[in-house]
Amino acid sequence: DAGVIQSPRHEVTEMGQEVTLRCKPISGHDYLFWYRQTMMRGLELLIYFNNNVPIDDSGMPEDRFSAKMPNASFSTLKIQPSEPRDSAVYFCASTMKGGGIHEQYFGPGTRLTVT
Amino acid sequence: GIQVEQSPPDLILQEGANSTLRCNFSDSVNNLQWFHQNPWGQLINLFYIPSGTKQNGRLSATTVATERYSLLYISSSQTTDSGVYFCAVERTGANSKLTFGKGITLSVRP
Repeated sequence: DAGVIQSPRHEVTEMGQEVTLRCKPISGHDYLFWYRQTMMRGLELLIYFNNNVPIDDSGMPEDRFSAKMPNASFSTLKIQPSEPRDSAVYFCASTMKGGGIHEQYFGPGTRLTVT
Repeated sequence: GIQVEQSPPDLILQEGANSTLRCNFSDSVNNLQWFHQNPWGQLINLFYIPSGTKQNGRLSATTVATERYSLLYISSSQTTDSGVYFCAVERTGANSKLTFGKGITLSVRP
């Protein structure tokens, strides 16, 4: 299996621009998570989906952030408009809740820089 | 929410030394994972260990769920073990939401 795939790996954009991050979970996994890592706040959960449905978006910082999962193999995290404080590494993770095992697997991350 | 505390925050070892990393958590959990974040930023799964003991080569981990802590042992450390080690837990009933500790930064010197 290729693991969780994220694109792009690096994104540099100017303040005010729209940014779209993409994620392909591991095939067969029914949960997908978006995390953000910063020096100040560490790793924090933004939103997660179960069977393509958003379950908990309480970690999404504000309305400029939105996430979708149109099908079981693709999700996007969008920031519009972007701000310098959004600069961070964004991780996508997935898991399959079968047999009581909830191990999450992470993608390589997207390093976002907003200037 | 659940609190996750890792100690020590920083650790410097000479190559070949052994070390123990600790993770304390404040509530009952049904998932506990240890990750290694390498210098390239990638999060590598080390152990899925909500309870009991597991070993993988030079690494082993023990979770005592009733006492709300987990330990990660690194034996015969190598420079490639350098990086940040995270403990992450899913509180019982939290429906797969992982809460991460702040991490332990390990530097192994040749």
